[in-house]
Amino acid sequence: QKEVEQDPGPLSVPEGAIVSLNCTYSNSAFQYFMWYRQYSRKGPELLMYTYSSGNKEDGRFTAQVDKSSKYISLFIRDSQPSDSATYLCAMGRGGGSYIPTFGRGTSLIVHP
Amino acid sequence: DTAVSQTPKYLVTQMGNDKSIKCEQNLGHDTMYWYKQDSKKFLKIMFSYNNKELIINETVPNRFSPKSPDKAHLNLHINSLELGDSAVYFCASSQDGTRTDTQYFGPGTRLTVL
Repeated sequence: QKEVEQDPGPLSVPEGAIVSLNCTYSNSAFQYFMWYRQYSRKGPELLMYTYSSGNKEDGRFTAQVDKSSKYISLFIRDSQPSDSATYLCAMGRGGGSYIPTFGRGTSLIVHP
Repeated sequence: DTAVSQTPKYLVTQMGNDKSIKCEQNLGHDTMYWYKQDSKKFLKIMFSYNNKELIINETVPNRFSPKSPDKAHLNLHINSLELGDSAVYFCASSQDGTRTDTQYFGPGTRLTVL
């Protein structure tokens, strides 16, 4: 079992839908959680960063962390075709240098 | 202006060859990284340098040798290329390599070994 599990999809939704992307993890040492967006043939870019359990909102994006269940989610409201990309979750341990462990990414397609 | 740039973007070569990938960042960051993204899209860290000093060296064959001539550049040299080295290699940088740092990724170098 990999440390971070993420369904690769693809997930296809109509424009305007609410999208839910999820990751589960097995290592309770993970303390902080990130979501990256990666467009085709581009490098990943950081979307959201959270440290504690609960919700964090930024515009149309909400990141949710449930440490007790080892489960994180990214919600996208009013999805747009420009949101079509691969979304990677990443997690890091506390202390020392920053070494994130990435999920394999979920491919999202938002069709008009 | 591109924040993190890599050259070349595409690299096709034969098994056994030696090749280099260059990375430059103009963000004034202290820490730079090399990642490998395989065909299944897993992104794995290979190396991290902070102010030209190697601080992270994950389990990577010693055919891979990073070199940092200054803190704005981190190059990756690969000797005796193998089929399994085919992947996309991403360079990234961050301010100081702490856990709250945002990493900025380059566009990637797609390496194909024939």
